[in-house]
Amino acid sequence: EPEVTQTPSHQVTQMGQEVILRCVPISNHLYFYWYRQILGQKVEFLVSFYNNEISEKSEIFDDQFSVERPDGSNFTLKIRSTKLEDSAMYFCASSNPGTGNQPQHFGDGTRLSIL
Amino acid sequence: DAKTTQPPSMDCAEGRAANLPCNHSTISGNEYVYWYRQIHSQGPQYIIHGLKNNETNEMASLIITEDRKSSTLILPHATLRDTAVYYCIVRVRSYNTDKLIFGTGTRLQVFP
Repeated sequence: EPEVTQTPSHQVTQMGQEVILRCVPISNHLYFYWYRQILGQKVEFLVSFYNNEISEKSEIFDDQFSVERPDGSNFTLKIRSTKLEDSAMYFCASSNPGTGNQPQHFGDGTRLSIL
Repeated sequence: DAKTTQPPSMDCAEGRAANLPCNHSTISGNEYVYWYRQIHSQGPQYIIHGLKNNETNEMASLIITEDRKSSTLILPHATLRDTAVYYCIVRVRSYNTDKLIFGTGTRLQVFP
């Protein structure tokens, strides 16, 4: 069964450094999302992306964050200048517009640790 | 905020049916109920979804009340590998928004 893949599984970065998290969505999906989960807390929506542009973003997704689909397969989340509070699991998801209500499918996440 | 409320935890004996309740009294007429689960710190795994009819797939059954204000996820024969946090989510979707708002879920512990 096709799945969303994320790399790396664990990223350790110094505070203030830039980090790029990568995702390969399911191949025929056209909607892409990023969520994050701080340890012990809820899964939180960050951003949705469709037709090469952001369709919605949450308050968490400030100017330090950006997303990009640089080619036909990858979907990336960039944090420009990381802070300690950016430490979290970051999950990518994708869905197919299809007919009816198609579910979002999640990858297994990237654990981001900011030192 | 999440539009659902769930009990924080439940236990179930291996081999028995696990029935996980969810209240969503403010659900709108065209909003679907989705169920996901999260095993340890893995990504949320899609289980099932429905609008108003009961649904069944290879993983579970979803029973939605006639007034749509609550639903129950049924795992017919729970195994130890079904131990996870189960999230009931009302999907917020319109022409310019589509996001899942997670609550704190129900932590299901399946015991031998």
